[in-house]
Amino acid sequence: KAGVTQTPRYLIKTRGQQVTLSCSPISGHRSVSWYQQTPGQGLQFLFEYFSETQRNKGNFPGRFSGRQFSNSRSEMNVSTLELGDSALYLCASSSNSGRLTGANVLTFGAGSRLTVL
Amino acid sequence: DAKTTQPPSMDCAEGRAANLPCNHSTISGNEYVYWYRQIHSQGPQYIIHGLKNNETNEMASLIITEDRKSSTLILPHATLRDTAVYYCINYGGATNKLIFGTGTLLAVQP
Repeated sequence: KAGVTQTPRYLIKTRGQQVTLSCSPISGHRSVSWYQQTPGQGLQFLFEYFSETQRNKGNFPGRFSGRQFSNSRSEMNVSTLELGDSALYLCASSSNSGRLTGANVLTFGAGSRLTVL
Repeated sequence: DAKTTQPPSMDCAEGRAANLPCNHSTISGNEYVYWYRQIHSQGPQYIIHGLKNNETNEMASLIITEDRKSSTLILPHATLRDTAVYYCINYGGATNKLIFGTGTLLAVQP
């Protein structure tokens, strides 16, 4: 089956602009989460959506936002871009329904590499 | 902050077993030990997970100590394609929030 698809794979923006990244989860997966990876901070959790509701949020400013659609596809938006927002943005999906279970494997996409000039 | 501690880097000869250690002394009773790896600039890839018993799949084996405070990921016959950063994560599974540490960069040498 198809994996997690992220678009675009690469993009270049300038400071002050905004950007929207898209994530299509594995078919049947209702949970989508987003991560930011930078050389300095490593992999950091941004937020998670389940059934169109934000279920968890990391420690990022309000310029970072996201949403999930009824088909489980998700988008994240970064407004007023800063140089420090240059990063690899990763999306992951799982079939996690929220019940406490250890058998919850996240499948990651290839990421969207954002460069802010 | 990450709840696991791993060595920053390790080397392994091609064809030999790679043993990657992880300390997770504060692991909770309902948390599993998960291992992911990330090959350069790709998304992390799931390898294996376990609660308290040793586990094996087609990719690797996971050995968890009896007190669950540490574990070892074993790649039985490392290849050059196994060169990656390996992350050990404690995770309860209720949400999709993974806390990544700095991981171990495994370099498989020819």
